[in-house]
Amino acid sequence: QVQLLESGPGLVKPSETLSLTCTVSGGSINNYYWSWIRQPPGEGLEWIGYIFYIGNTNYKSSLRSRVTISLDMSKNQFSLKLTSVTAADSAVYYCARHDVIPLMEHGMDVWGLGTTVTVSS
Amino acid sequence: HSVLTQPPSASGTPGQRVAIPCSGSSSNVGSNPVTWYQHLPGTAPKLLMYSTNQRPSGVPDRFSGSKSGTSASLAISGLQSEDEADYYCAAWDVSLDDYVFGTGTKVIVL
Repeated sequence: QVQLLESGPGLVKPSETLSLTCTVSGGSINNYYWSWIRQPPGEGLEWIGYIFYIGNTNYKSSLRSRVTISLDMSKNQFSLKLTSVTAADSAVYYCARHDVIPLMEHGMDVWGLGTTVTVSS
Repeated sequence: HSVLTQPPSASGTPGQRVAIPCSGSSSNVGSNPVTWYQHLPGTAPKLLMYSTNQRPSGVPDRFSGSKSGTSASLAISGLQSEDEADYYCAAWDVSLDDYVFGTGTKVIVL
């Protein structure tokens, strides 16, 4: 059974870079898309972007200038970097898996438990 | 912020039927399949419905999905206390080239 686990600093200073890693266990990164999603306090879910196992990426349009998602196949991990963070980037960050069907029609079927990131000096 | 609109809350007594609407536009719900997620705070969101009306293995048939035009709906029949959670619709938006979520609906079992 595939499991995802997010890890990274829980506190990031304003203007710095948020860096998180998602470790995939019980399965391979191959043949799937891998997304990051966040939920600010008291708000709903927001998709950040995805990476395909061969390296293709797609980012939410409003975050595109600040987001990078990358893969480390040797460690079965993928990562999120978000630059120039502000308090508005404080959220629970989730990683999730979805298959190759276009338009994410089949949805994200495996999710991590999430990790809380607070942006504060 | 969210492109898809849902009511903040919906409620019912055990055994009742509850429907959660999701209103979008021609660039998302109107042209693409809808997905629904169930989320209990502090836990991982769970895929509840995909391709508008398909249930993943293990999801009870009390849950059903439908769509008409630019609006979708998730129905829960035979409401149970364990159904108390937040529910989000989602779809790909071809104008934004983004995967967009609804505002979320909290289902309360009275």
